[in-house]
Amino acid sequence: SAVISQKPSRDICQRGTSLTIQCQVDSQVTMMFWYRQQPGQSLTLIATANQGSEATYESGFVIDKFPISRPNLTFSTLTVSNMSPEDSSIYLCSVDLGGNQPQHFGDGTRLSIL
Amino acid sequence: GQQVMQIPQYQHVQEGEDFTTYCNSSTTLSNIQWYKQRPGGHPVFLIQLVKSGEVKKQKRLTFQFGEAKKNSSLHITATQTTDVGTYFCAAPIFGNEKLTFGTGTRLTIIP
Repeated sequence: SAVISQKPSRDICQRGTSLTIQCQVDSQVTMMFWYRQQPGQSLTLIATANQGSEATYESGFVIDKFPISRPNLTFSTLTVSNMSPEDSSIYLCSVDLGGNQPQHFGDGTRLSIL
Repeated sequence: GQQVMQIPQYQHVQEGEDFTTYCNSSTTLSNIQWYKQRPGGHPVFLIQLVKSGEVKKQKRLTFQFGEAKKNSSLHITATQTTDVGTYFCAAPIFGNEKLTFGTGTRLTIIP
């Protein structure tokens, strides 16, 4: 398994500002993912964070709104840009350890935009 | 659109009653995973099913993968208050690593 540290755990932000969420893993992993979970909803994949190249975004998500960094195999950031109340969600990072192991999730960042 | 459908969306049961959630896909799945998310928590992996018709048990939880590998179920026998949460199935539909999550079933227990 892996220990995943995600921070901040929660934040309340003003409309129009940006917030960067960090995800740190205690071991090197190839695959890191960012999900969004809107209130009362399921998890939706935002993007796959690729080390050394641009993230791969899912339909409905764009780099300008959700820029992602992956500087090495243990760390990634997700920025939620120009926030609006509709961005109020839980944002989760996860890692795939490979070898048929399941994904492991960070504790999530609960984001509220006023 | 949602590729993995899950029913029911909500389930309220008396403590001690059984509970089942069902997951269906229009495509054949290489594997299916189940996660539990407690209120205020993050999804926690429960189990992965890979083989057609596979049945796995974890204490009071029984997981089943359909023969056609298009559906799955999670059954909890004699529910307890600790079973409260939302249960999600998830499967790699669009790639070996990318998980598509089901809509989830939120279980509440009436003591």
